[in-house]
Amino acid sequence: DQQVKQNSPSLSVQEGRISILNCDYTNSMFDYFLWYKKYPAEGPTFLISISSIKDKNEDGRFTVFLNKSAKHLSLHIVPSQPGDSAVYFCAARYSGNTPLVFGKGTRLSVIA
Amino acid sequence: DAGVTQSPTHLIKTRGQQVTLRCSPKSGHDTVSWYQQALGQGPQFIFQYYEEEERQRGNFPDRFSGHQFPNYSSELNVNALLLGDSALYLCASSSVKAAYNEKLFFGSGTQLSVL
Repeated sequence: DQQVKQNSPSLSVQEGRISILNCDYTNSMFDYFLWYKKYPAEGPTFLISISSIKDKNEDGRFTVFLNKSAKHLSLHIVPSQPGDSAVYFCAARYSGNTPLVFGKGTRLSVIA
Repeated sequence: DAGVTQSPTHLIKTRGQQVTLRCSPKSGHDTVSWYQQALGQGPQFIFQYYEEEERQRGNFPDRFSGHQFPNYSSELNVNALLLGDSALYLCASSSVKAAYNEKLFFGSGTQLSVL
């Protein structure tokens, strides 16, 4: 039973345009959400996070939006660059030092 | 500053064998978590070690066991390997003293193939 769902296995975007990656979750007890990026043959690296008390967090080209009522979050990348091509994982956790629950990932391809 | 290091990078075993994977956490981190990432799936939590004890465990059978040493490094052991154990095994480290929203740092993983 998937508690964190990324329903798009892949996404292709042209360089310079916006990339929007979506994530849905089912457990309303999650209170912290993270996005990780993974290149082949490397471990996931942290990208950006958001607490459940916020609805937006921005870091440079990356913005995460959280809609708690819809149990939905999205990652916006503007402008997209070829180096952004990777697998993006959405993850969630309960409060405290609890394990991350990951989605299956979305493979983003940014085409020059 | 070395990040999380894992060894070996690749491993091939046959069904029924046992395997040990190793992890050294990022400098300053005292907590190690292990995740299994099967093909096409996201990482799944196996267990977490802190102060040389297993603190939390995911939905994995007892064939999966671990250990943490006084220097905070950790091992993951899998007994009686099954074909379904083939996966990328990721180690992640963090600090229990940090804020609860401290992000995890992952190693590059060990790719285990069971034939």
